[in-house]
Amino acid sequence: AQRVTQPEKLLSVFKGAPVELKCNYSYSGSPELFWYVQYSRQRLQLLLRHISRESIKGFTADLNKGETSFHLKKPFAQEEDSAMYYCALKQTGANNLFFGTGTRLTVIP
Amino acid sequence: GAGVSQSPSNKVTEKGKDVELRCDPISGHTALYWYRQSLGQGLEFLIYFQGNSAPDKSGLPSDRFSAERTGGSVSTLTIQRTQQEDSAVYLCASSFGLAVGGEQFFGPGTRLTVL
Repeated sequence: AQRVTQPEKLLSVFKGAPVELKCNYSYSGSPELFWYVQYSRQRLQLLLRHISRESIKGFTADLNKGETSFHLKKPFAQEEDSAMYYCALKQTGANNLFFGTGTRLTVIP
Repeated sequence: GAGVSQSPSNKVTEKGKDVELRCDPISGHTALYWYRQSLGQGLEFLIYFQGNSAPDKSGLPSDRFSAERTGGSVSTLTIQRTQQEDSAVYLCASSFGLAVGGEQFFGPGTRLTVL
């Protein structure tokens, strides 16, 4: 069965410091992985997806199949990055997402 | 264009009553999803509709939960004989369907409180 683990419920960093939000998954097939973000009083929205290999708002995430991880990183955190971050997995041939429990990031000015 | 909309935004009900939650997906999206966001539980998949195919109900937690999608557009999630543990935010999302890397667009959610 598939599973997405985000070990940190809360993470606080100072503005300008690097940030890494951890995500590990278990899935026997070839997964698609995503990071979704929910800013205060806003809807859940897609931040980035592994297949695009993109950098959004300075964030990147690399799929490491050996370690079954998809950690989200940003070299210099900004106050506007404070939000709830969810890692999500989609199984091959399926469409629904399996989410982790989320990490609330707080960037301290 | 308009995003996914959900109604009501808040619903307070008494234990044992039935509730209906509505979702209007983005026009043209063939796939529609329901998720539940409980405190400390993250987002839990409930049910998924894709076009005219039979829905994937594998995430529904009990037979008190059901959903339908009329005309391939609006969806209603029904919870019968509500229990206190049903209290959560119910999120609806829509997408263009089976697409590698496809983005799901979420609604604002319905906060359900069962007293």
